[in-house]
Amino acid sequence: KNEVEQSPQNLTAQEGEFITINCSYSVGISALHWLQQHPGGGIVSLFMLSSGKKKHGRLIATINIQEKHSSLHITASHPRDSAVYICAANAGGAQKLVFGQGTRLTINP
Amino acid sequence: DAGVIQSPRHEVTEMGQEVTLRCKPISGHNSLFWYRQTMMRGLELLIYFNNNVPIDDSGMPEDRFSAKMPNASFSTLKIQPSEPRDSAVYFCASSDPGNTIYFGEGSWLTVV
Repeated sequence: KNEVEQSPQNLTAQEGEFITINCSYSVGISALHWLQQHPGGGIVSLFMLSSGKKKHGRLIATINIQEKHSSLHITASHPRDSAVYICAANAGGAQKLVFGQGTRLTINP
Repeated sequence: DAGVIQSPRHEVTEMGQEVTLRCKPISGHNSLFWYRQTMMRGLELLIYFNNNVPIDDSGMPEDRFSAKMPNASFSTLKIQPSEPRDSAVYFCASSDPGNTIYFGEGSWLTVV
């Protein structure tokens, strides 16, 4: 079993829908990251959080330390949000990241 | 800042050849990471450095792989000899003291 698990693996939705991607982890972490990877490969860090909630534009990330669970939400989704979203954790206070397998999101117009 | 700069962006090489991937981290970042991404295994950490010193190389697959960071602004990942199973995208990333991580565009390696 992976230390970091994401669901769903694939998600297809219509433009405008509210999107939720989930991430569960089984290890103690110091921080959790949400990354976005577009076709063509570049990886961008969206959020780094260790507690509570963060918001940036239409994106919201939450984390529940007790339940070892994080969610990434996208409001008013748009085709340009189509990408792979990756959850990654700094496990045990280490700087190195442990990655989830990614969620491939497709937003249709 | 130009971000994390990797070269080459794409490389196709024959089995047995030496491959050198290069990375320039963001100025002021004290940590540098080399990751590999494949369809089968996703993203995996190969090695990371703090203040130019290798901290964890447990992800380096075997002795054919080596990495160096001679100074704060440059790192290399070398594969010698290369094999077809090394074909992957290799990402370099750097992080600042707040631990926000910034990735390079990746080096797409194909070994034939």
